[in-house]
Amino acid sequence: EAGVTQSPTHLIKTRGQQATLRCSPISGHTSVYWYQQALGLGLQFLLWYDEGEERNRGNFPPRFSGRQFPNYSSELNVNALELEDSALYLCASSLTGGSNQPQHFGDGTRLSIL
Amino acid sequence: GNSVTQMEGPVTLSEEAFLTINCTYTATGYPSLFWYVQYPGEGLQLLLKATKADDKGSNKGFEATYRKETTSFHLEKGSVQVSDSAVYFCALSDRGAQKLVFGQGTRLTINP
Repeated sequence: EAGVTQSPTHLIKTRGQQATLRCSPISGHTSVYWYQQALGLGLQFLLWYDEGEERNRGNFPPRFSGRQFPNYSSELNVNALELEDSALYLCASSLTGGSNQPQHFGDGTRLSIL
Repeated sequence: GNSVTQMEGPVTLSEEAFLTINCTYTATGYPSLFWYVQYPGEGLQLLLKATKADDKGSNKGFEATYRKETTSFHLEKGSVQVSDSAVYFCALSDRGAQKLVFGQGTRLTINP
């Protein structure tokens, strides 16, 4: 069974640009989550999508947005990039949105802002 | 709000030593609890989980017991190997928001 796949592996952008990160969940999983792992700040919850709808978002500005497609894959978009957006962005999926369902993570996209 | 506190790292042990990484949590209600491991350059891998009080999660020689009375979920392994070197994260699942709340992570290095 294929795990959660993320692309690209690395992304280099400059301040003010826009970045798009992609995630394919494990087959059969309907919920997709996005987390930011910034140096010194640990893992912070960004967004949760389930059945194509945004269900919850963390304490991030509106320039962080995303969507989930009918095949349950997801995109994370970050507009007007700032230096502090440099981080590893992790996508996770779960069978459903239930809190007992473990989340399975991809290897992440490392976003570097120059 | 909900939070997770892990013991400060880094932790350095010799091969075959006994490992304990402490984790305590603050939560309303009864969250599910998880341990994840992150190897260099990789994402997080689920190591074990427990969904209710007194449950014991176990995997690859690691164990953790959900202790409601002490709000703890300490990770233990009887004999560590060099291949166990990684960063370990304790997490709880926020039932309302359906998100994982992570501890700060503990870097573990095992020397041969």
